[in-house]
Amino acid sequence: GAGVSQTPSNKVTEKGKYVELRCDPISGHTALYWYRQSLGQGPEFLIYFQGTGAADDSGLPNDRFFAVRPEGSVSTLKIQRTERGDSAVYLCASSLQGPNSPLHFGNGTRLTVT
Amino acid sequence: AQSVAQPEDQVNVAEGNPLTVKCTYSVSGNPYLFWYVQYPNRGLQFLLKYITGDNLVKGSYGFEAEFNKSQTSFHLKKPSALVSDSALYFCAVRQAAGNKLTFGGGTRVLVKP
Repeated sequence: GAGVSQTPSNKVTEKGKYVELRCDPISGHTALYWYRQSLGQGPEFLIYFQGTGAADDSGLPNDRFFAVRPEGSVSTLKIQRTERGDSAVYLCASSLQGPNSPLHFGNGTRLTVT
Repeated sequence: AQSVAQPEDQVNVAEGNPLTVKCTYSVSGNPYLFWYVQYPNRGLQFLLKYITGDNLVKGSYGFEAEFNKSQTSFHLKKPSALVSDSALYFCAVRQAAGNKLTFGGGTRVLVKP
């Protein structure tokens, strides 16, 4: 079946610009997660949705980062006034409800801020 | 707070030899533990998980992991490594009551022919 889909796969933007990254989870998965991965490091948690609501946004680094999931399926991660330090691979994952359900990851969006 | 430590940045092993990737964790209460593998320019792929029960967990591609509560460890193992096992491996933990999955820094495995 279809896995987690992330678009675009690559995004290059200039410092100060606004970007949106999209995630289409596996059908039926109620939980959706955003992570950020810098080169040579492990994924860093950003935000977790259960349905339409953000259940845990403790990983968002500052108020330039925002994410939505208005209909409980597709999610968009939004970054305002991008900075060079935002350059990373942004990973989306989805899962069934429950702590024993593994996360299924997309291939990520590589964001480069010039 | 929950955390994961992977003490080795890289593990080198000859093809056919046993492979071990180390992981220790810290979490309140009972842990849910996971191993993921990442190939170049790809997303993370789930390998196996420990919930409760048997301390030896079997997963995909011949991998297994041993849970040790007293040592708070969850080491990944494979009896006979293949060149195609060369990749980046991540250990992850979450609390039973929570849903945030916390990852370790990763261990690069290089299997030489």
